Amino acid sequence: LAKTTQPISMDSYEGQEVNITCSHNNIATNDYITWYQQFPSQGPRFIIQGYKTKVTNEVASLFIPADRKSSTLSLPRVSLSDTAVYYCLVGDIWTTSGTYKYIFGTGTRLKVLA
Amino acid sequence: EADIYQTPRYLVIGTGKKITLECSQTMGHDKMYWYQQDPGMELHLIHYSYGVNSTEKGDLSSESTVSRIRTEHFPLTLESARPSHTSQYLCASSTSRAGANVLTFGAGSRLTVL
Repeated sequence: LAKTTQPISMDSYEGQEVNITCSHNNIATNDYITWYQQFPSQGPRFIIQGYKTKVTNEVASLFIPADRKSSTLSLPRVSLSDTAVYYCLVGDIWTTSGTYKYIFGTGTRLKVLA
Repeated sequence: EADIYQTPRYLVIGTGKKITLECSQTMGHDKMYWYQQDPGMELHLIHYSYGVNSTEKGDLSSESTVSRIRTEHFPLTLESARPSHTSQYLCASSTSRAGANVLTFGAGSRLTVL
């Protein structure tokens, strides 16, 4: 089980770039790294996923160093609407019955200030 | 636009009543999950299913039960609701594909037991 560690909370101002780092020292060879965003009273929403190096989509970038023991979610020019909880998930947990289950950590509560 | 639907969105019910939270997905995903989340707290996996007629309990013990008679449907039932069951219940699904899986969540069902 690849346990993840993230900062509990972060504050930023509108227009700034925000970087949230996730540590996952026990990541396995086949594990992917996935980030989700959750607004209050809603289900988490997929943001970005990667395996190594850098991945970029229309909303974020994901930086993964060569050893893959950490990853950094980068949100360019945040706005008030980016205030949310961000979760880092690593891998799938293959159970003895041959299923996957996804365990969420505490996440990082990002607050964007005007 | 949601491809996974949860009903009811909100439910207020008295102690001792039986309730069923519905979850349906139109994506043909084989895996489905139920998470429980209290306000401001992390998500806890309570049930998951990797296919029809297969269900398993998650990491958080729950008095609820689930069934998976059809691929698209994964209802959660509480036989006798109690105030301690007050929480938000989030349903999710995923599919197997090469390398990694991504969870798609419903909007959630907020249950209040008086």
